[in-house]
Amino acid sequence: EAGVVQSPRYKIIEKKQPVAFWCNPISGHNTLYWYRQNLGQGPELLIRYENEEAVDDSQLPKDRFSAERLKGVDSTLKIQPAELGDSAVYLCASSLRLAGPTDTQYFGPGTRLTVL
Amino acid sequence: DAKTTQPNSMESNEEEPVHLPCNHSTISGTDYIHWYRQLPSQGPEYVIHGLTSNVNNRMASLAIAEDRKSSTLILHRATLRDAAVYYCILRDFETSGSRLTFGEGTQLTVNP
Repeated sequence: EAGVVQSPRYKIIEKKQPVAFWCNPISGHNTLYWYRQNLGQGPELLIRYENEEAVDDSQLPKDRFSAERLKGVDSTLKIQPAELGDSAVYLCASSLRLAGPTDTQYFGPGTRLTVL
Repeated sequence: DAKTTQPNSMESNEEEPVHLPCNHSTISGTDYIHWYRQLPSQGPEYVIHGLTSNVNNRMASLAIAEDRKSSTLILHRATLRDAAVYYCILRDFETSGSRLTFGEGTQLTVNP
């Protein structure tokens, strides 16, 4: 079974440029998450989708970040414009269903963003 | 969210057991204890979870203290591939939905 797919794996841009990350979750998983991981720290949730609905986006900096999951399958996270502090690894994860505190999240390899 | 405390780093030798501790003194009765690990240049992966009783799976064992204020992840025979950051996470669906709240974890080094 294919895991969570993310692209690109690496991205280098200059500040003020836009950037987008793509994620394809495990087939059949209706819950999708975007996390951001700063160097030396654990991942932090940015947004969670149940099918195509964003149900937890309280940590998403909405002035410059946006996300969509139009058909309830793959998802795109966008930053416009990027700032130096956005340099981080952006991780996508998916889970089979909202099973409460025992569901397992499956993570992709992440996209490492460097903003110059 | 209830907080966990882990050592920043630990070291082990290959083929020896490893005990990774986690303190969670403010754990509530509905908090599950989850462990994830993150290998270099990869996303985190699930290891094990438990509520009150000790748990075993093919990857590891989880020993939970009787008062649930601490737990220990046990790798029975460490391999070089087990070198990773290990995260101990408390999850209560009622208060935190389905999010995983990661701390800084324990960096495990395995020596050949």
